[in-house]
Amino acid sequence: GQNIDQPTEMTATEGAIVQINCTYQTSGFNGLFWYQQHAGEAPTFLSYNVLDGLEEKGRFSSFLSRSKGYSYLLLKELQMKDSASYLCAVRGGSYIPTFGRGTSLIVHP
Amino acid sequence: EAQVTQNPRYLITVTGKKLTVTCSQNMNHEYMSWYRQDPGLGLRQIYYSMNVEVTDKGDVPEGYKVSRKEKRNFPLILESPSPNQTSLYFCASSLTSGSHNEQFFGPGTRLTVL
Repeated sequence: GQNIDQPTEMTATEGAIVQINCTYQTSGFNGLFWYQQHAGEAPTFLSYNVLDGLEEKGRFSSFLSRSKGYSYLLLKELQMKDSASYLCAVRGGSYIPTFGRGTSLIVHP
Repeated sequence: EAQVTQNPRYLITVTGKKLTVTCSQNMNHEYMSWYRQDPGLGLRQIYYSMNVEVTDKGDVPEGYKVSRKEKRNFPLILESPSPNQTSLYFCASSLTSGSHNEQFFGPGTRLTVL
C-alpha cells in the first residue's frame, strides 16, 4: 500500500516564504505531483518531480529526495490568493497516483 | 478550450434512486478517473480507466460503477445511492497514466443523498 503524510494546516504572513512538507511510503515510485485547490474548486497542477532535486517555477519550487521519501513545496513572496489546500500525490509502481489529505494554507496580512 | 466537464454540478437525491454523473474530456486523453473528496480524508480514487473498455477499481469502489465505451466519456453510476455517498466528486483525465502527465480535473459534482 501507499502512505502519504502532510501537515493538516499551516499559516503564514503575506510576503513571507512557506514550506509544505510531504513524506511518503510507496511500493515503487514513478513521480510526485503537487496540486493547488482553492475552496470549492477543482485541483490544478503545480509541479512534478521524478528525480532528486529542486524544480523551480516562478514563486513556487518543489523538492524531492527519493531515498528519504520526502518532498516539499516552497512558496515565496506569499500572496493572499495563495490561501488554498496543497495536495501531494505520489505515483507508485502501478502508475496510479495516490493523494495525501492535503495541507490547508492560510495567508494573513 | 481544453477541459473536463461534469454534469450535474449539484444534485440532491434520495436513497435508492439510481443516478449517473457524466464526465467528458476533449483532450483525447487515454487515462480517466473518478475521485470523491470528503473533509479530513482528501481525494480518494473510486475507479479509473487506462483506455476505452479498460476500467479498474480504485481505493473506494463499493457502491459505484463506471463504463468507458468512448475515449472522451467516463460516466459514474450509483445504482442505489446511500447517504454515505454524499460527497464532492471529481472526474480527472491525463494523456496517459505514465510519465509526467498531470491530471486535469473537472469542476466537481456536489452530491447529497437524503
